[in-house]
Amino acid sequence: GDSVTQMEGPVTLSEEAFLTINCTYTATGYPSLFWYVQYPGEGLQLLLKATKADDKGSNKGFEATYRKETTSFHLEKGSVQVSDSAVYFCALTGGLIQGAQKLVFGQGTRLTINP
Amino acid sequence: NAGVTQTPKFRVLKTGQSMTLLCAQDMNHEYMYWYRQDPGMGLRLIHYSVGEGTTAKGEVPDGYNVSRLKKQNFLLGLESAAPSQTSVYFCASSGSPIREQYFGPGTRLTVT
Repeated sequence: GDSVTQMEGPVTLSEEAFLTINCTYTATGYPSLFWYVQYPGEGLQLLLKATKADDKGSNKGFEATYRKETTSFHLEKGSVQVSDSAVYFCALTGGLIQGAQKLVFGQGTRLTINP
Repeated sequence: NAGVTQTPKFRVLKTGQSMTLLCAQDMNHEYMYWYRQDPGMGLRLIHYSVGEGTTAKGEVPDGYNVSRLKKQNFLLGLESAAPSQTSVYFCASSGSPIREQYFGPGTRLTVT
């Protein structure tokens, strides 16, 4: 079945460092890919998405490119801030189940940014 | 605009007790979902609904029941809680199957 694998966390960086969180996937067909972010004490929020190969999703300085040849969707940011500390989830649409969207999530990567 | 709200935020149950988690959304969304989040794992779908009066099983439905009597509410019930149901539960809603899902803040449930 469809699956998502993220790099193991936790990840700790200093402010203004470059961030990469790796995400690879296995899926049949052509899924859409997402990055969700969960700030402490809150629910998940959509950070960015890409719906087809070579699309680049971007938001709040974060970027990720849909790479079909390497089945990857790595999250990057050039200069992280303390406020980026959160748990990041990579996800894909595993098709429709009886008309509803089936999201398949990775295990999440906890990111801590130190000042 | 409150979005998706969940009550309660925290709960501790003893094994065998029952409870209901309430999810409410004010965005007039047709689709609603219940997930559980466990350490080291992503979110897993428990049950979902494609409209008022409908429910369906997701990936891990055993031990849970749901109801969608009103479009804006989606209830998750545990009839006889077990320690394996200790988890954080998230509700989500979306306006269509291809649109973004909006998540609530979660309910942290501990079963002792």
